[in-house]
Amino acid sequence: GAVVSQHPSWVICKSGTSVKIECRSLDFQATTMFWYRQFPKQSLMLMATSNEGSKATYEQGVEKDKFLINHASLTLSTLTVTSAHPEDSSFYICSASLQGAGQPQHFGDGTRLSIL
Amino acid sequence: GDSVTQMEGPVTLSEEAFLTINCTYTATGYPSLFWYVQYPGEGLQLLLKATKADDKGSNKGFEATYRKETTSFHLEKGSVQVSDSAVYFCALSNNAGNMLTFGGGTRLMVKP
Repeated sequence: GAVVSQHPSWVICKSGTSVKIECRSLDFQATTMFWYRQFPKQSLMLMATSNEGSKATYEQGVEKDKFLINHASLTLSTLTVTSAHPEDSSFYICSASLQGAGQPQHFGDGTRLSIL
Repeated sequence: GDSVTQMEGPVTLSEEAFLTINCTYTATGYPSLFWYVQYPGEGLQLLLKATKADDKGSNKGFEATYRKETTSFHLEKGSVQVSDSAVYFCALSNNAGNMLTFGGGTRLMVKP
């Protein structure tokens, strides 16, 4: 149980394109999902906390107009990288957990974004 | 704020060697502690967890014990395999929303 699916797994697109990444909790409802960015050989950097039915909470230094997050249902959060540029190329990972303190985060398989 | 420190890698071992990856934390209250593993090109998989002091998490031959007195959660395995080669992340959560604080990750390389 507690499976998180992330799609697509790999995107290559031209500079200036907007890219949408989906994160779904397949067998549980998630009022909160998290979006991370990971640079090569580094740890995960939390970008934002996605809250169902309300605005996302962004970490300091993350441009909310650049990285649009929508969490319209209890099983789906989306991250849209708007007008992507090569510096946005990275590995993006989402996660969600069951409700209750101490529950582990369950992660999607990540999306590798390459902007040409 | 909360923080997690884990030993820097890479850690290179021969198959069947004993593994220890150190992890210490700083947090208020009583956090839950986790080890995650990341294989190349993939997301993170939960390896094991412990939610209170003296709990031992275990899975696939890996173990870690929640030591509040030393604020540690060291990962151990008695006999590593080549397939254990991956990056291991120690993490804690200390809030109702289960937001994670990660260590920097430790790359393990097991040679046949």
